[in-house]
Amino acid sequence: QKEVEQNSGPLSVPEGAIASLNCTYSDRGSQSFFWYRQYSGKSPELIMFIYSNGDKEDGRFTAQLNKASQYVSLLIRDSQPSDSATYLCAVNRYNNDMRFGAGTRLTVKP
Amino acid sequence: GAGVSQSPSNKVTEKGKDVELRCDPISGHTALYWYRQSLGQGLEFLIYFQGNSAPDKSGLPSDRFSAERTGGSVSTLTIQRTQQEDSAVYLCASSAGPTGELFFGEGSRLTVL
Repeated sequence: QKEVEQNSGPLSVPEGAIASLNCTYSDRGSQSFFWYRQYSGKSPELIMFIYSNGDKEDGRFTAQLNKASQYVSLLIRDSQPSDSATYLCAVNRYNNDMRFGAGTRLTVKP
Repeated sequence: GAGVSQSPSNKVTEKGKDVELRCDPISGHTALYWYRQSLGQGLEFLIYFQGNSAPDKSGLPSDRFSAERTGGSVSTLTIQRTQQEDSAVYLCASSAGPTGELFFGEGSRLTVL
């Protein structure tokens, strides 16, 4: 079992729709959870992090965490073509040991 | 500089040669990571340094790969006797601590002919 699993996609949504990205992790002791965005040919950049169960909102982005189910998600409201990128889920297992999923490629169509 | 610096940005080498990739993390960051990303793929964990602790080498794919971090700062990833399957972008990232946010360099693109 991979440490961090994501659907590879591609996920395609129309402009203005909600994009839903999912991630599961295997290490129940994981402490914190991150979503990174990576544009083609660029390095990943942090979008959001979440530590506690529940929802965390930042502008058009909402991260959701359910530790009992070992599940993290990212919702993007009012999706824009500029949101088209690969979204990487990362899990901080302990002591800053950070592992990434394979990423989900999102395309937002105008 | 303010960010993570990697060099070289591009490296083309012949099969069987050794290569060294360098990473200069953000000053004061105690954690340093190396990842490998093949075309269209996710980030493959290679090695992780945290302060003065022994590095986590569990992601190194073979004994041809090694890395060191001198003085808790600059790190060098060495690949010996390169193979064509080593061709990828090698990303270095550093982290300051509790939030765990990683700051990435621009990567070193390695092409093995």
